[in-house]
Amino acid sequence: GAVVSQHPSWVICKSGTSVKIECRSLDFQATTMFWYRQFPKQSLMLMATSNEGSKATYEQGVEKDKFLINHASLTLSTLTVTSAHPEDSSFYICSARRDSQQYFGPGTRLTVT
Amino acid sequence: GQNIDQPTEMTATEGAIVQINCTYQTSGFNGLFWYQQHAGEAPTFLSYNVLDGLEEKGRFSSFLSRSKGYSYLLLKELQMKDSASYLCAVRDNAGGYNKLIFGAGTRLAVHP
Repeated sequence: GAVVSQHPSWVICKSGTSVKIECRSLDFQATTMFWYRQFPKQSLMLMATSNEGSKATYEQGVEKDKFLINHASLTLSTLTVTSAHPEDSSFYICSARRDSQQYFGPGTRLTVT
Repeated sequence: GQNIDQPTEMTATEGAIVQINCTYQTSGFNGLFWYQQHAGEAPTFLSYNVLDGLEEKGRFSSFLSRSKGYSYLLLKELQMKDSASYLCAVRDNAGGYNKLIFGAGTRLAVHP
C-alpha cells in the first residue's frame, strides 16, 4: 500500500509554455501533499504544501503565480509550471502524507529548451 | 530557521559498516527521517525516529538524540547496491503545519 504516482515521468517543453504535472495517491486518500524540486547533485527543496480544498502554502522564495498548485481531490494534486524557462529545468517530486509518513512519487524530469 | 548538516560524500568497503551523521537545528522538531535515493529516482523511506534512542531495522539502524540535535544512520554488511545518496530529513511544525525539510544528502560509494 501507499503508492504515489506522477505523470508525466518526463517532459520536454519550449521556453514560454506551461507544463502540468499530476500527483496521485493510488491506494489512500491524502489531505496533504507536498511538492519538491531537486537540482542535480542537490537535495530536495520543498516548494509548497498542497492541502485538499484550500490554497497551497508556498515556501519562501517560491513564486506562487509561477508554480500553480491545485489539490482538487483527496487523491490528486497538480503542479503547473507557467511560462517555463530553462532555469526551471529540474526534477520535480511530489509526496503524499499518510499517518506519520510521507510517500514519494517517482518524480518528473522537466527540461525546458 | 532550519539547518540540517550531513557529510557530502563517504566511501566504504563492501561488507563493512558505515555511519552517516546528521546534525540539525529546528524550532519545531517533530521527528527525523532517513531516506535512500538512487540517482534519478525518488527517495525511499529507511527509518523514522521521534524519541531518543536506537531504531533497528535489518541492516539499517538509526539513532536520535534530541538534546544534541544529532542523528546517525548505521549501515551494516554493506553491499554494492547500497551505493546511493542518504538523506536526513527533519519534520518541522514551526509554521503550524508539519513539513519535511531535507539535508543536502550524503553520497555513499561502496567499493569491492
